[in-house]
Amino acid sequence: AAGVIQSPRHLIKEKRETATLKCYPIPRHDTVYWYQQGPGQDPQFLISFYEKMQSDKGSIPDRFSAQQFSDYHSELNMSSLELGDSALYFCASSTLAGVAGELFFGEGSRLTVL
Amino acid sequence: TQLLEQSPQFLSIQEGENLTVYCNSSSVFSSLQWYRQEPGEGPVLLVTVVTGGEVKKLKRLTFQFGDARKDSSLHITAAQPGDTGLYLCAGRTGSSNTGKLIFGQGTTLQVKP
Repeated sequence: AAGVIQSPRHLIKEKRETATLKCYPIPRHDTVYWYQQGPGQDPQFLISFYEKMQSDKGSIPDRFSAQQFSDYHSELNMSSLELGDSALYFCASSTLAGVAGELFFGEGSRLTVL
Repeated sequence: TQLLEQSPQFLSIQEGENLTVYCNSSSVFSSLQWYRQEPGEGPVLLVTVVTGGEVKKLKRLTFQFGDARKDSSLHITAAQPGDTGLYLCAGRTGSSNTGKLIFGQGTTLQVKP
């Protein structure tokens, strides 16, 4: 079965550079979530989209932005990168039709800021 | 302030032992989910509970949702080394299935052979 696809899997950037992460949700899933997970920490909710509209916002820095496109894929844009942005970034998708909106996670994109 | 408190945060046991992980909150959740995560990989859904008092079993894993839907527990019987990983509880407070999911801090379980 198709899963959530994230790219790139690994990314190394310098401070103050820009990075873009991509997420392709499970087909027919209408909601996409972005989470940031630092070493040894639980996933922190950043932002979510339902039917291409932002549905909820968490602890996403102003330097970050995200959007969901007409084909339901989503991109997380991160600018003026800081050392503290180094983390695993997970995308998850779900469907409103699910029992309780269970999230299906991608394998994550590991961002390292040097 | 952590909305969901998990305990213990770390647990190291021998193969064959039983264990229970707790997930507590002062908030009421419309649903609560348990995930298992291995290093460098995304969390994988184990179970969803939606009804107060609900008990679900998944092989050697038993999940319970509190009557008031504010807490949950995960009990593992006869733990195996393959159970090693990070266990995360996550809950939604709203009624919409598209609302954000809030995670607990996680419980790192190590099962030694």
